Amino acid sequence: ETGVTQTPRHLVMGMTNKKSLKCEQHLGHNAMYWYKQSAKKPLELMFVYSLEERVENNSVPSRFSPECPNSSHLFLHLHTLQPEDSALYLCASSPRGTSAYTTSYNEQFFGPGTRLTVL
Amino acid sequence: TQLLEQSPQFLSIQEGENLTVYCNSSSVFSSLQWYRQEPGEGPVLLVTVVTGGEVKKLKRLTFQFGDARKDSSLHITAAQTGDTGLYLCAGVTSGTYKYIFGTGTRLKVLA
Repeated sequence: ETGVTQTPRHLVMGMTNKKSLKCEQHLGHNAMYWYKQSAKKPLELMFVYSLEERVENNSVPSRFSPECPNSSHLFLHLHTLQPEDSALYLCASSPRGTSAYTTSYNEQFFGPGTRLTVL
Repeated sequence: TQLLEQSPQFLSIQEGENLTVYCNSSSVFSSLQWYRQEPGEGPVLLVTVVTGGEVKKLKRLTFQFGDARKDSSLHITAAQTGDTGLYLCAGVTSGTYKYIFGTGTRLKVLA
């Protein structure tokens, strides 16, 4: 496997279910990200992990819970979601982290996404 | 709130035509990336521009970073159906180190 992989590619869940999205990067990068992409909205950054530490959480509801056990894996645990949470969830990685102490540019490499539908 | 506005929002053209997509902000960016996203896939990085006034070419695609590093453009020459997709600009604002994405331009090239 190369690049950034995400599983599952499609997920349908009820509002009372608990599920997890998985992301794996094979690029040796130091930072990983979760984004939400909805129709008619710009990509929304949800969480950032740099060297396995969460460095950013953009006011995401607690029904989304990220986990980064090591620099290659990132999970997004989902529970009691709402229909408005239906979207494409994208994972990305970048060579550098995003703290104020890192260099300026930050190219990101994306996985194919998980299309989530909440019924 | 920093914002990256892209225009046009939607564009439908015939194969062989030329087009330009714009990415504008009131903030200064230390660097800027362009991505293309095809349906059902994640965005794929096309280019990074760093220096004000910089021009980069990728086959039929020409990218320019504004002199003041607040705007960028993407010009496609002789568009092909394979150019169809969502084009996104993104960058890190100077000072805040926040990485933000533009509003996107959805391009459809018709055969």
